[in-house]
Amino acid sequence: QSVLTQPPSASGTPGQRVTISCSGSSSNIGSNYVYWYQQLPGTAPKLLIYRNNQRPSGVPDRFSGSKSGTSASLAISGLRSEDEADYYCAAWDDSRYVFGTGTKVTVL
Amino acid sequence: EVQLVESGGGLVQPGRSLRLSCTASGFTFGDYAMSWVRQAPGKGLEWVGFIRSKAYGGTTEYAASVKGRFTISRDDSKSIAYLQMNSLKTEDTAVYYCTGTRGYYDSSGYYYFDYWGQGTLVTVSS
Repeated sequence: QSVLTQPPSASGTPGQRVTISCSGSSSNIGSNYVYWYQQLPGTAPKLLIYRNNQRPSGVPDRFSGSKSGTSASLAISGLRSEDEADYYCAAWDDSRYVFGTGTKVTVL
Repeated sequence: EVQLVESGGGLVQPGRSLRLSCTASGFTFGDYAMSWVRQAPGKGLEWVGFIRSKAYGGTTEYAASVKGRFTISRDDSKSIAYLQMNSLKTEDTAVYYCTGTRGYYDSSGYYYFDYWGQGTLVTVSS
């Protein structure tokens, strides 16, 4: 049902860099900003990135976002154990807000 | 301290109605768009809909899956957003999150705020 596609899983060892992709279309990512959310186990989602690459106050600069055409990506550098969570991209698509399918990041 | 507290969840039979409330504190509620996002057990996030602030007309938008059955409203005097859910289906079973967002420009640049509640579980079952 989701129109934004993410890989189901990603993993890395502490200190590594992990990248999560988000693929959309011209009606969503191609023409609107991308947002990224982190959902730690058993908690509500939290905004990580807004407007493609901007971090809200308090979000470590280990998290970075980028966008190119109809795709976007979230990079986590210097991976830490507390980064183990589900990550979702999102974008506006006409007057609907659509989430990605979600990616579970595991810290090995 | 910013807080969004959802209430009104519970067990309801298919075809019945339920109203969720989202009580806000710690920020200027009337300046924020208020949204509802749900998450079925073990599944991903699904946007339900939102209501714009009065400054942007206070109008609403909904996901296709709930349009015509769900209604979002707000009472700025009480800092409460509502989600009225009618004709509930088993597939509406989920944790429902309330969110408040606001983006604006000032002389220093662009600011964006995004707050989430802890969610309330709605179970639709006979």
